[in-house]
Amino acid sequence: NAGVMQNPRHLVRRRGQEARLRCSPMKGHSHVYWYRQLPEEGLKFMVYLQKENIIDESGMPKERFSAEFPKEGPSILRIQQVVRGDSAAYFCASSPLGSDAPYGYTFGSGTRLTVV
Amino acid sequence: TQLLEQSPQFLSIQEGENLTVYCNSSSVFSSLQWYRQEPGEGPVLLVTVVTGGEVKKLKRLTFQFGDARKDSSLHITAAQPGDTGLYLCAGGFGNEKLTFGTGTRLTIIP
Repeated sequence: NAGVMQNPRHLVRRRGQEARLRCSPMKGHSHVYWYRQLPEEGLKFMVYLQKENIIDESGMPKERFSAEFPKEGPSILRIQQVVRGDSAAYFCASSPLGSDAPYGYTFGSGTRLTVV
Repeated sequence: TQLLEQSPQFLSIQEGENLTVYCNSSSVFSSLQWYRQEPGEGPVLLVTVVTGGEVKKLKRLTFQFGDARKDSSLHITAAQPGDTGLYLCAGGFGNEKLTFGTGTRLTIIP
């Protein structure tokens, strides 16, 4: 039973390019969360999605960032026109019943984005 | 905005010693979770506590949820090098997303 799969593990983009980060949740999990982590810091919430729905995007910057979780296929976090400040580790997590369940989140290994 | 403050931010101790790290908030949570994260990897769930005053043990790790469900502690007995990592607490309320704490980076010196 595969865990949460994120790809790519490492992504290098030049300023102004687009970054696409993919996340396939655990089988049977319908809730997906994206978090960003800067070095030596905790996890900052970005967006919470269910299939074809954005439930909470309060942590997402208003511009350049978007996320989707289509009916078929992985969840995508898209960053347009990347800037150096976007460099971070981006983690995806999934859960079967949402955050209030005692199951917790299962995290992927993250995508480390470096903007040069 | 719900904030979770963890202390200490950094902790370095000798193998075999005991330690406690703390997670504090001004908000009430319906559940609180502890994760450990190793370099280059995502966080891994250690435990979930849901009842005020609840105590859970996981081998040498003891987790406690405060009576008012606003704080938690993690106590490690006889620390080992394998305990090294970033410890994160996270609070949940209803169906809202988990809010993560600032983290405690623990180093156990052999």
